[in-house]
Amino acid sequence: DTGVSQDPRHKITKRGQNVTFRCDPISEHNRLYWYRQTLGQGPEFLTYFQNEAQLEKSRLLSDRFSAERPKGSFSTLEIQRTEQGDSAMYLCASSPMEGAVGYTFGSGTRLTVV
Amino acid sequence: AQKVTQAQTEISVVEKEDVTLDCVYETRDTTYYLFWYKQPPSGELVFLIRRNSFDEQNEISGRYSWNFQKSTSSFNFTITASQVVDSAVYFCALSDLVDDKIIFGKGTRLHILP
Repeated sequence: DTGVSQDPRHKITKRGQNVTFRCDPISEHNRLYWYRQTLGQGPEFLTYFQNEAQLEKSRLLSDRFSAERPKGSFSTLEIQRTEQGDSAMYLCASSPMEGAVGYTFGSGTRLTVV
Repeated sequence: AQKVTQAQTEISVVEKEDVTLDCVYETRDTTYYLFWYKQPPSGELVFLIRRNSFDEQNEISGRYSWNFQKSTSSFNFTITASQVVDSAVYFCALSDLVDDKIIFGKGTRLHILP
């Protein structure tokens, strides 16, 4: 088990383009979370899945953002029509159960919108 | 609403000094979890500790110790005999037991000077 994997590590895109990030959780973990971290701030919760069901979305997740977790395995986070304000580190985390036990973060995808 | 406040934005100490990072939290839940994470320059979030709100015992792990005071809603973190490798941003965080989303403070950037 190599932990939570995120791909790509870095992404530079032009404003207006669409981007998609992937997260592979630890295999036995049924909960998967997305966070966003901007410069000088702590990570902020975006959304989470229990298996394939998306159970909560933060108001930070505008209509341009969509997340999926088909078959309850890996997850993708897509941002449409990127804006400069979307530049941030996007972190994925997974856990096997309630209580934030074994909550493990990936290394993140750093997005720069130019 | 849940909130975590880390009043110290940045701290610098000379190597081998002890340093305490402050954390104050707000929550209406009676049961919750408190965390500390370390984020070195590489960017990955490194889990340090998770503490259940029912357990007010202080904890020591090597040079690290944590002081949980429910009466003052504080969960402070002390590094004893600091080392240059301790230089990082440290986040205090809080989660409830329902959806496990973690609410982070803004972090304290710690510089250990040789």
